Amino acid sequence: GQQLNQSPQSMFIQEGEDVSMNCTSSSIFNTWLWYKQDPGEGPVLLIALYKAGELTSNGRLTAQFGTTRKDSVLNISASIPSDVGIYFCAGRLRGSQGNLIFGKGTKLSVKP
Amino acid sequence: NAGVTQTPKFRVLKTGQSMTLLCAQDMNHEYMYWYRQDPGMGLRLIHYSVGEGTTAKGEVPDGYNVSRLKKQNFLLGLESAAPSQTSVYFCASRPTGNTGELFFGEGSRLTVL
Repeated sequence: GQQLNQSPQSMFIQEGEDVSMNCTSSSIFNTWLWYKQDPGEGPVLLIALYKAGELTSNGRLTAQFGTTRKDSVLNISASIPSDVGIYFCAGRLRGSQGNLIFGKGTKLSVKP
Repeated sequence: NAGVTQTPKFRVLKTGQSMTLLCAQDMNHEYMYWYRQDPGMGLRLIHYSVGEGTTAKGEVPDGYNVSRLKKQNFLLGLESAAPSQTSVYFCASRPTGNTGELFFGEGSRLTVL
């Protein structure tokens, strides 16, 4: 089936550092979503992107929909301990009304 | 608002036993989904439903059955549990016309011995 390549798989950073993670695919998407999963919880939507080139922010988080429609990047600025968790990208293929395809996640650890 | 509620939250089974996970949503959503989450594998779709009385297979449907007799409930059944079905199971829902956002439950951790 279709795959999203999400990287890095894990990150260990110091509090205050900026973080960047990305998702790529060989297919074209018309929707990109970024979710965060806190330990022991279900994923929660952070940012949704619907247009190529779109740049959207949510507090210290910023995500961009790649101009080729095959990739997306999530940036977190000035990380804090509560940023710890697993971040998932998810996409919906162009021309599809079907289900989301999820990346395998980026596990973020923040040292105080 | 309760949102998406899953029961039970934890369960231990022996190989060969059967069980049912219940998902209930109070948002009047048409679409409902069951995913499993395994380390390093992300979220994989098991089965989904586009409305009451309908079900469809996802990416990893083998060994599972589902039913959507009522719009607000989506049941996931394991007829004969296997150790490979040890996982965390998530239910999710979304309304019609929504451009993709899923609302997830808190998860159900299943261990098969």
